[in-house]
Amino acid sequence: DTAVSQTPKYLVTQMGNDKSIKCEQNLGHDTMYWYKQDSKKFLKIMFSYNNKELIINETVPNRFSPKSPDKAHLNLHINSLELGDSAVYFCASSPGLAGGVNTGELFFGEGSRLTVL
Amino acid sequence: AQSVAQPEDQVNVAEGNPLTVKCTYSVSGNPYLFWYVQYPNRGLQFLLKYITGDNLVKGSYGFEAEFNKSQTSFHLKKPSALVSDSALYFCAVRDIGAGNKLTFGGGTRVLVKP
Repeated sequence: DTAVSQTPKYLVTQMGNDKSIKCEQNLGHDTMYWYKQDSKKFLKIMFSYNNKELIINETVPNRFSPKSPDKAHLNLHINSLELGDSAVYFCASSPGLAGGVNTGELFFGEGSRLTVL
Repeated sequence: AQSVAQPEDQVNVAEGNPLTVKCTYSVSGNPYLFWYVQYPNRGLQFLLKYITGDNLVKGSYGFEAEFNKSQTSFHLKKPSALVSDSALYFCAVRDIGAGNKLTFGGGTRVLVKP
């Protein structure tokens, strides 16, 4: 019974293509995230949604577009893929804000490894 | 802006010996600090967190961490390391003033040898 699930786990595609990664959490959390882990294992936040509302949008190219149809889902669509987009993309969720503060830990999915050729 | 530093890329330790993974942070307000572990080809797993209260925090798998405000550190420790503790460890800090963003350190690879 996976808490945060991502699909696909592996994705190999050509430059210029458009691809999507889906994420679902069954923890009842209000907040969801996308993180990118590069080849040196460095983790950087891309986006965060709280109850379907975008609350964090880092300096990510606008080729990346997150979509949250409901608070249990956060999908990531990438247009015009480039070589530098190759990475592992992690979805995560956490409990919502209490008094404007989120003290909860993040629960991560298993990651989606994207390879752009 | 908040930041996290993990000064060691890799830590090698013999099984049964104490393990320490270092972390220092910089944040404008009160720090909310976390440790995560990542096994190969897996997602990150939460180990422990410091929000407030006792400076010594106990977490999963026998790990603990000590919050030191004067040294702005949050080192992860385990009294007796196991080979199965070999993994990538990440320290993270949450900045309440920046949308509750969780910023990760660069990670420290731990290798426990039999």
